Amino acid sequence: NAGVTQTPKFRVLKTGQSMTLLCAQDMNHEYMYWYRQDPGMGLRLIHYSVGEGTTAKGEVPDGYNVSRLKKQNFLLGLESAAPSQTSVYFCASTHTGTGLNEQYFGPGTRLTVT
Amino acid sequence: AQSVTQLGSHVSVSEGALVLLRCNYSSSVPPYLFWYVQYPNQGLQLLLKYTTGATLVKGINGFEAEFKKSETSFHLTKPSAHMSDAAEYFCAVDPGSNYKLTFGKGTLLTVNP
Repeated sequence: NAGVTQTPKFRVLKTGQSMTLLCAQDMNHEYMYWYRQDPGMGLRLIHYSVGEGTTAKGEVPDGYNVSRLKKQNFLLGLESAAPSQTSVYFCASTHTGTGLNEQYFGPGTRLTVT
Repeated sequence: AQSVTQLGSHVSVSEGALVLLRCNYSSSVPPYLFWYVQYPNQGLQLLLKYTTGATLVKGINGFEAEFKKSETSFHLTKPSAHMSDAAEYFCAVDPGSNYKLTFGKGTLLTVNP
């Protein structure tokens, strides 16, 4: 199993450009998450999904949109990138059957907005 | 709402010395607790977790953590540091009700030869 994969690994955008980050998991997990990681801030939840076709806002959702059209994929979109969105983005997923939120993480996408 | 405090954003130890990374949480209910490790330029990897039962939890790479409800703590320890332990460590709490984790801000562990 590949686990959780993210594409792309690196990206440089100019202010105002748009892009989509793709997260895919092959573990049949119900829940999926997008986080951003900034120095000294830990991980902050952007959006999450509790199942196919559903999404919800996390701690820092402004400037981002998400979609979960298929159970295995969770997309994060930036419609008009800003320098404040320069960060490392992590996707995670978890299985709800055990009642334990043990999250599995992807390798991350490093985004720079100039 | 729950919160997680990791005391010390940077901890430096010598190779072979004890590693102690501190984590305190606030939660209105007994939580699930996790420690994750992040090696440079990688994602987070689960180190160990506490759910119920034995309060001393053993994880990978010789790490262990003890859940102390009275102190609302879940400190991570390793008796003897190895150079390969150099990484950033994150404590996380899940109150068990909404499938969202709250992470601490992380502690960067440096191991000196």
